Amino acid sequence: QKEVEQNSGPLSVPEGAIASLNCTYSDRGSQSFFWYRQYSGKSPELIMSIYSNGDKEDGRFTAQLNKASQYVSLLIRDSQPSDSATYLCAVLMNRDDKIIFGKGTRLHILP
Amino acid sequence: EADIYQTPRYLVIGTGKKITLECSQTMGHDKMYWYQQDPGMELHLIHYSYGVNSTEKGDLSSESTVSRIRTEHFPLTLESARPSHTSQYLCASSEYYGEAFFGQGTRLTVV
Repeated sequence: QKEVEQNSGPLSVPEGAIASLNCTYSDRGSQSFFWYRQYSGKSPELIMSIYSNGDKEDGRFTAQLNKASQYVSLLIRDSQPSDSATYLCAVLMNRDDKIIFGKGTRLHILP
Repeated sequence: EADIYQTPRYLVIGTGKKITLECSQTMGHDKMYWYQQDPGMELHLIHYSYGVNSTEKGDLSSESTVSRIRTEHFPLTLESARPSHTSQYLCASSEYYGEAFFGQGTRLTVV
């Protein structure tokens, strides 16, 4: 089992709709979880951090964490064409304190 | 805004040459990372450091080496570059339990 798993997509969502991105992780003791956005040819850019079970909202973005299910998600409301990018889930592993990234989900927002 | 810098941004070099990729951060972060990413592919952790005089190999086997003599500086060295080393190299830093911030990356081409 990979340490951090994401569906690679592509995920196509109409403009204005909600995009839902999912991630699972293997290290049950992990406490810190991150979502990054990466445009083609650019470095990953932090969007959200989440450390506690439940929802965390920042503008159009909502991160959701369920530690019992080892599941993290990112919702993007009112999707815009500029949201088209690869979204990376990252987990700070409890066992060795290193940040491991999933393969990323490619998101296409359709005008 | 994160202050982490990588030089050079682009490098084309001949096979067999020794190269050092520079990474510096001004945030006083203890942890630093090197990731390797081929175009359209996932990020692979190749080296990380918990602090001065601490270095660890990541999950992806790499012929590169790193050093951490100063908190702010985490250079990566390839003793003898090969075409298989052609890739993008991304440096990141973080507080101990926090999110990672990335530099702009070095795109290496070995001919």
